[in-house]
Amino acid sequence: EPEVTQTPSHQVTQMGQEVILRCVPISNHLYFYWYRQILGQKVEFLVSFYNNEISEKSEIFDDQFSVERPDGSNFTLKIRSTKLEDSAMYFCALRQGTSTDTQYFGPGTRLTVL
Amino acid sequence: AQSVTQPDIHITVSEGASLELRCNYSYGATPYLFWYVQSPGQGLQLLLKYFSGDTLVQGIKGFEAEFKRSQSSFNLRKPSVHWSDAAEYFCAVGAGDSSYKLIFGSGTRLLVRP
Repeated sequence: EPEVTQTPSHQVTQMGQEVILRCVPISNHLYFYWYRQILGQKVEFLVSFYNNEISEKSEIFDDQFSVERPDGSNFTLKIRSTKLEDSAMYFCALRQGTSTDTQYFGPGTRLTVL
Repeated sequence: AQSVTQPDIHITVSEGASLELRCNYSYGATPYLFWYVQSPGQGLQLLLKYFSGDTLVQGIKGFEAEFKRSQSSFNLRKPSVHWSDAAEYFCAVGAGDSSYKLIFGSGTRLLVRP
């Protein structure tokens, strides 16, 4: 199973501040995803990223969100101006190639917006 | 639209008893189906997946699931539950569009009685 790390494990921020969540895949993958899970709720798709561009995004992924792979390894999710309702667990997931490949999830970053 | 329903929010079983967690999906084409497990404060670990072929799939930790197209179901089973199986279980369908994002059910929390 591919190893995926996420940093930080827990981020506390003030409302209106910018946060950057990082995902570091250990092996080569082509497809990258961000999901979030608000406490006690289901895991929701945010965005998928392939070939250095967004391939699909959900309606949750509005203008305050952005993703990039700045150095070809890290995969980041930026929230420009955090809101209280952004408090959630954010998971990065990776997929190697074909449609039947499994998505492997990182351990998550717990974001708390005060 | 694609969706996944897990009708049981909580299930409590005695250690050593058998387990079945229900999952129903709504998807127009042949679904890619997954079961993930999430222990408290942890990420999502893949238990098993179904893409095609044999409708009974085996996974890790002694779990299996059966795909029934006629019932749009993908129920997870284990013949004898261990205390360490206490966790939240998520069923997911892979949407076969460009991103193959995962759509998750709301989860079933499994409690194991000693």
